[in-house]
Amino acid sequence: DTAVSQTPKYLVTQMGNDKSIKCEQNLGHDTMYWYKQDSKKFLKIMFSYNNKELIINETVPNRFSPKSPDKAHLNLHINSLELGDSAVYFCASSPYPLAGGTDTQYFGPGTRLTVL
Amino acid sequence: EDQVTQSPEALRLQEGESSSLNCSYTVSGLRGLFWYRQDPGKGPEFLFTLYSAGEEKEKERLKATLTKKESFLHITAPKPEDSATYLCAVQDLGFQKLVFGTGTRLLVSP
Repeated sequence: DTAVSQTPKYLVTQMGNDKSIKCEQNLGHDTMYWYKQDSKKFLKIMFSYNNKELIINETVPNRFSPKSPDKAHLNLHINSLELGDSAVYFCASSPYPLAGGTDTQYFGPGTRLTVL
Repeated sequence: EDQVTQSPEALRLQEGESSSLNCSYTVSGLRGLFWYRQDPGKGPEFLFTLYSAGEEKEKERLKATLTKKESFLHITAPKPEDSATYLCAVQDLGFQKLVFGTGTRLLVSP
């Protein structure tokens, strides 16, 4: 059973195009995240949603827009793709909202985006 | 701002040769320190969470420890299947996000 799934796994596209990446989790978690992993393997948070509400929005270009239709899904839409957007994008989920205590984030398999 | 530094960047071991990976961190208040394993082409796989200095956790050949400034991931008698990138991350008391280090690439040769 897949816990956090992402589609597509690979995405190759031309500069200037618009593309979407989808994420779904079947863990019953309240919070979902998007991370970007660059060519040096550095993972950095982009967004986080808790029960469909945006709670973390790092310094990310406006061309990136997350959407959460329900708490099990978090999609990432990217407009006017640029060469520098090439990276691996990971979705993650965790069980707790912004309450006390540490929660563990579980990651999806990643989407490798290549912009030509 | 929270910072995580991992060393070494890469480590090559012979099968059975024990070693340790280091994760130094700076955080205003630590909610938790996480270790993940990442295989090529896959997402990070959760290993451990450590909450306070002095805490230790073990799983098979791996043991994670925590002080107020750093964490170690000890690998005892590693096997080739332990080869992966090991990522350390911290979660600040005030935030939900994880701040990751750049990882240690471990290669265990038979």
